[in-house]
Amino acid sequence: RKEVEQDPGPFNVPEGATVAFNCTYSNSASQSFFWYRQDCRKEPKLLMSVYSSGNEDGRFTAQLNRASQYISLLIRDSKLSDSATYLCVVDTGGFKTIFGAGTRLFVKA
Amino acid sequence: NAGVTQTPKFQVLKTGQSMTLQCAQDMNHNSMYWYRQDPGMGLRLIYYSASEGTTDKGEVPNGYNVSRLNKREFSLRLESAAPSQTSVYFCASSDYQTDTQYFGPGTRLTVL
Repeated sequence: RKEVEQDPGPFNVPEGATVAFNCTYSNSASQSFFWYRQDCRKEPKLLMSVYSSGNEDGRFTAQLNRASQYISLLIRDSKLSDSATYLCVVDTGGFKTIFGAGTRLFVKA
Repeated sequence: NAGVTQTPKFQVLKTGQSMTLQCAQDMNHNSMYWYRQDPGMGLRLIYYSASEGTTDKGEVPNGYNVSRLNKREFSLRLESAAPSQTSVYFCASSDYQTDTQYFGPGTRLTVL
């Protein structure tokens, strides 16, 4: 079993749609959680950190469920510019950061 | 403010050749990392340097060596390249306070 698992997609959605991604992790001692965004042939960039209480940044909402060991990302009112691969990232401490393989999103006009 | 820079952007090697990938950051970060990214597998940590003067193995260190030249620079060396090392290599840096990693633009390496 992979330490961080994501649905690879692709998710194809129309502009304006709401889309949700889930991610599960296997190490219950994991300490920090993030969502990164990676555009085609570019480097990953931090989208948002994920806190136990949940957090929101504009159209993006991230949730953490420690009991079930999963993380979610919700994108509301999708834009064409949201098309990218979204990476779930889990930090277990001691410089051990595990990246999921990513979920591809295509937003269509 | 350039962030994290990497050179070269592209490289083609023949099996058995050696090369060094260069990485530099100007954010005064203590920690630096080298990852490889292969299709369907996510980023995998090759080596990391928690601070200047220290380096440690990550998940996939075999076939690689690193040097933390100073606080700014962290290089990755392939001593004898193999086709299995064909990949995209990313360097990253982070500070202790946020754990956020900042990535360079990557090096696309092909080993024939």
